[in-house]
Amino acid sequence: GNSVTQMEGPVTLSEEAFLTINCTYTATGYPSLFWYVQYPGEGLQLLLKATKADDKGSNKGFEATYRKETTSFHLEKGSVQVSDSAVYFCALSDRDTGRRALTFGSGTRLQVQP
Amino acid sequence: EPEVTQTPSHQVTQMGQEVILRCVPISNHLYFYWYRQILGQKVEFLVSFYNNEISEKSEIFDDQFSVERPDGSNFTLKIRSTKLEDSAMYFCASRSRGQNTGELFFGEGSRLTVL
Repeated sequence: GNSVTQMEGPVTLSEEAFLTINCTYTATGYPSLFWYVQYPGEGLQLLLKATKADDKGSNKGFEATYRKETTSFHLEKGSVQVSDSAVYFCALSDRDTGRRALTFGSGTRLQVQP
Repeated sequence: EPEVTQTPSHQVTQMGQEVILRCVPISNHLYFYWYRQILGQKVEFLVSFYNNEISEKSEIFDDQFSVERPDGSNFTLKIRSTKLEDSAMYFCASRSRGQNTGELFFGEGSRLTVL
C-alpha cells in the first residue's frame, strides 16, 4: 500500500535559519506529491505540489523537488520567519491505484523563534 | 476567498450517542471528503463522495459511519453510536472537477470528544 514518512518534530529554528523537513514515500503507482500546512487553529492548506519526477513545487519561499530515484519530496526554505510556525504534512495521491484519496504523513511541527 | 466551513467546532458527547458533523463545501465543488486526525497521529482518510454516492472509503469507515448530502449545500458525517476511540478532529474537504485528486480545500475541523 501507499505510505508517507516524515521526520519527527518538533523542529525548532531561529528566524532566518534554513529549513529542511524530510519526506519519503512508498507508492504502488506513480503518485502526485503534496505539502500541506496547518497553522494554529486552522485547517490544512495546500502549500505546494509536484505531479511528476523532477518537478519542483514552490510557494511562499518553500520548495520541494519530486525525486523518483530516492522516493523523496523534502521541503526546504532558505530563511524561515516566525509566521512559518505551523505543522507541515507531506502527502501523496496515487491515481494509478484504486485509492485516489490523499495519504498523509504524520506531520512535522515547526517552531520558529525570533 | 471561498472556504469550507464546518460545524460544530467542538462537540462533547457520551459514548453510544449519535453525532452529526456538518460541512458546507465550496459552492462549485463536486467532490467531498472526510478525514480525521486523532490527537498526535496522522491525518487519516475516511470517505470520498461524488455524484451523490460514496466513491471510496477506508477501513475506518465502518457501518457506524454514514455520509449524506441532504441538500445542495451541506455534506454531513454521522456516527451512529460513538466510541471512545472516535475522539478526534474531523476535517471536511472539497475540490472541483478540474483539480488534481490531491488538491483539496479543507475546513478548520470539528473536534469530537467522546466521554
